[in-house]
Amino acid sequence: NAGVMQNPRHLVRRRGQEARLRCSPMKGHSHVYWYRQLPEEGLKFMVYLQKENIIDESGMPKERFSAEFPKEGPSILRIQQVVRGDSAAYFCASSPNREGSPLHFGNGTRLTVT
Amino acid sequence: EDKVVQSPLSLVVHEGDTVTLNCSYEVTNFRSLLWYKQEKKAPTFLFMLTSSGIEKKSGRLSSILDKKELFSILNITATQTGDSAVYLCAVERGLTQGGSEKLVFGKGTKLTVNP
Repeated sequence: NAGVMQNPRHLVRRRGQEARLRCSPMKGHSHVYWYRQLPEEGLKFMVYLQKENIIDESGMPKERFSAEFPKEGPSILRIQQVVRGDSAAYFCASSPNREGSPLHFGNGTRLTVT
Repeated sequence: EDKVVQSPLSLVVHEGDTVTLNCSYEVTNFRSLLWYKQEKKAPTFLFMLTSSGIEKKSGRLSSILDKKELFSILNITATQTGDSAVYLCAVERGLTQGGSEKLVFGKGTKLTVNP
């Protein structure tokens, strides 16, 4: 059973470009979460999605950031017009249901904005 | 504001030592507390604790939760160099009106085990 798959592992973008981060949850998992980790900081919640629905996006900046989890295919975290402050590791996690199951994390995408 | 505080922030020990990592929390509508180990990549799940006073064990690692005093500890006995990692504590909040955050993480304790 493959774990949570994220790609790319590393992404370099110039200021103003768009970044697209992909996440395929574990088989059988329908709940996806995105977290951001800055150096020396803990993981900060961004958004929680189920198939075709955003359940909670309270941790995601209102501008430039969006997320989706379509019926088919991976979840996508999209950052438009990236700025240097967006440089971070972005982790995706999945779980089979909302309550009582620990999250399983992917290896993350390290975004560097130059 | 919900918060999870871990201590110490970093710790250096020698192989064979026993270490205790601490996690205190102030979270509304507490549901569970989780420990993760993070090396270079994905945080990997260690324990989920929901009840006070019940110790969970996995090999040389063990953890316990005190819901009255709002803290948890993670013990590692007979440490090995492979235990070197950042240990993350996270608290799961239940659903509240206005949204919910699945997990609130502490900043982690960086453990270095020297040979």
